[in-house]
Amino acid sequence: QSVLTQPPSVSGAPGQRVTISCTGSSSNIGAGYDVHWYQQLPGTAPKLLIYGNSNRPSGVPDRFSGSKSGTSASLSITGLQAEDEADYYCQSYDSSLSGSVFGGGTKLTVL
Amino acid sequence: EVQLVESGGGLVQPGGSLRLSCAASGFTFSSYEMNWVRQAPGKGLEWVSYISSSSSTIYYADSVKGRLTISRDNAKNSLYLQMNSLRAEDTAVYYCARDRVNPGGYYMDVWGKGTTVTVSS
Repeated sequence: QSVLTQPPSVSGAPGQRVTISCTGSSSNIGAGYDVHWYQQLPGTAPKLLIYGNSNRPSGVPDRFSGSKSGTSASLSITGLQAEDEADYYCQSYDSSLSGSVFGGGTKLTVL
Repeated sequence: EVQLVESGGGLVQPGGSLRLSCAASGFTFSSYEMNWVRQAPGKGLEWVSYISSSSSTIYYADSVKGRLTISRDNAKNSLYLQMNSLRAEDTAVYYCARDRVNPGGYYMDVWGKGTTVTVSS
């Protein structure tokens, strides 16, 4: 069981908007630690998608956006494209564990 | 080009040992903290261990404490993971990842392609 909770799967049609939630607790997200998001395409290594709750690294399309409130965070993807089909993971720092923690991952299916 | 390349994975019997390596290039390795992250077959990502740039600070996930040891050699631009007393549940792809610090915590901005460890008799 992961420290951060994500829905196992989400889906959407091309062009639509989807949102993936990430829920933590008072020792991680609720303690004020930032949430970061990674995209893992099939058979590849994870790639940083969003850092510091809402910042996009160079090269990441602005269709991807992140936000955080209280003990939760969310990743939104607008204008869904077939190439967005992947697993998405949230990550934060947990003070009680003295280390990084990940969500269980969410599989995005583009219908 | 910033790059991390893992090696050393393979098939090992339960109770055995293995040493993973991660070769860094394209950046000043000695200036960055590093992590090992693993992914069991069909499962999600699990943070394993963290080491500071000078090796003065090291953290482990509870699941590997006492069995896995992280280390680095800044002169060789290399990160290591010594794995002892291996169990079936350690079977995974092991990734090394560069750590970045911002005011709100830590994230991993560069990842290697991973090396596969299989623990089985």
